[in-house]
Amino acid sequence: EDQVTQSPEALRLQEGESSSLNCSYTVSGLRGLFWYRQDPGKGPEFLFTLYSAGEEKEKERLKATLTKKESFLHITAPKPEDSATYLCAGDFYNQGGKLIFGQGTELSVKP
Amino acid sequence: NAGVMQNPRHLVRRRGQEARLRCSPMKGHSHVYWYRQLPEEGLKFMVYLQKENIIDESGMPKERFSAEFPKEGPSILRIQQVVRGDSAAYFCASSPTAREQFFGPGTRLTVL
Repeated sequence: EDQVTQSPEALRLQEGESSSLNCSYTVSGLRGLFWYRQDPGKGPEFLFTLYSAGEEKEKERLKATLTKKESFLHITAPKPEDSATYLCAGDFYNQGGKLIFGQGTELSVKP
Repeated sequence: NAGVMQNPRHLVRRRGQEARLRCSPMKGHSHVYWYRQLPEEGLKFMVYLQKENIIDESGMPKERFSAEFPKEGPSILRIQQVVRGDSAAYFCASSPTAREQFFGPGTRLTVL
């Protein structure tokens, strides 16, 4: 069964304190790995798609990387407005296009 | 280019009533996906549709739930005879190529 697991469940940072969120996935058959940001009461906002090991993508203070078994979302010098739940999702070849989501990491950045 | 639109944003139904949720995909997107987010749980896939066709409904309960994406108009997720366990946030996503999926703001269904 294809699975996506995120850690930690919750992360509290001070403003400016860099850290990383982890997303591990079933190794076989990954077609793409997605990162989303979700604010309370809103829909997931697309951040990145990664397709192959070694790929990296950046957007402002966020950088996503992909290895053969996991993905990291690095947050550099976070600000309070980065507080949100970050979701990781896998698109697997045998799943016909549907995304398999992890449980999310709830990030809180204090000033 | 407007994003994915969903309405209503909030819907309250009594047990046994019908709930009808609408999703208008982004312009040019012919792939539509519905997901459900139960309280304290992650997003779970329900159904994947293209215009006039259901591609994958493996995540949708066999009874009381149905979905359509007609040639004209929005995609509809229908829940008949709602029960309290149907209370959740329902999200629609659309894609131009069945790869990146862009989500709408969701419909929050409360069943009294």
